[in-house]
Amino acid sequence: QSVLTQPPSASGTPGQRVTISCSGSSSNIGSNNVNWYQQLPGTAPKLLIYSNDRRPSGVPDRFSASKSGTSASLAISGLQSEDEADYYCAAWDDSLNGHVVFGGGTKLTVL
Amino acid sequence: EVQLLESGGGFVQPGGSLRLSCAASGFTFSSYAMSWVRQAPGKGLEWVSGISGSGGSTYYADSVKGRFTISRDNSKNTLYLQMNSLRAEDTAVYYCAKQPSAGTTSARFDPWGQGTLVTVSS
Repeated sequence: QSVLTQPPSASGTPGQRVTISCSGSSSNIGSNNVNWYQQLPGTAPKLLIYSNDRRPSGVPDRFSASKSGTSASLAISGLQSEDEADYYCAAWDDSLNGHVVFGGGTKLTVL
Repeated sequence: EVQLLESGGGFVQPGGSLRLSCAASGFTFSSYAMSWVRQAPGKGLEWVSGISGSGGSTYYADSVKGRFTISRDNSKNTLYLQMNSLRAEDTAVYYCAKQPSAGTTSARFDPWGQGTLVTVSS
């Protein structure tokens, strides 16, 4: 069971907007930055969002994210077929001498 | 271009040992913390261990503490993961990943290597 809680699945049709939630606690999301990763089938994860809401260069502005308290969310607007992937949230956790925690991942299906 | 290339994965029996390597290029290796993250077949991502740029600070997930040792050789631009007392549940693709600064207290990993598969089975 993952420390950060994500819905196991999400779906949408092309052009739609979808959101993926990530719930944590005061020792992780509540006090540290949230990062989001996209993992396309058969490939290594890729950084999608860092420091809660910042996009690395090359990531389309269709991807956005936010954080509030001990929760975060990723939004994908103008959904495209190539967005079909697994999405993970991650944060540093200050408990137990410090460690990284991931969400369980959300499989996004483009219908 | 920043590149990370893992090696050393393979098949090992329970209780055995394996050492993974991650060769880094395209950046000043000693200036950045590094981590290992694994993914069991069909499962999600699990952070395994992290090490500061100097190698002076290390962190481990509870699931591997006491069995795995992370280290680095900054003269060779290489990150290592020594895995002992391996268990079936350690079977996974192991990725190395670069962190944004010399310190390790971050869950920001960019980029990731392509991964190396470790299979623990009798």
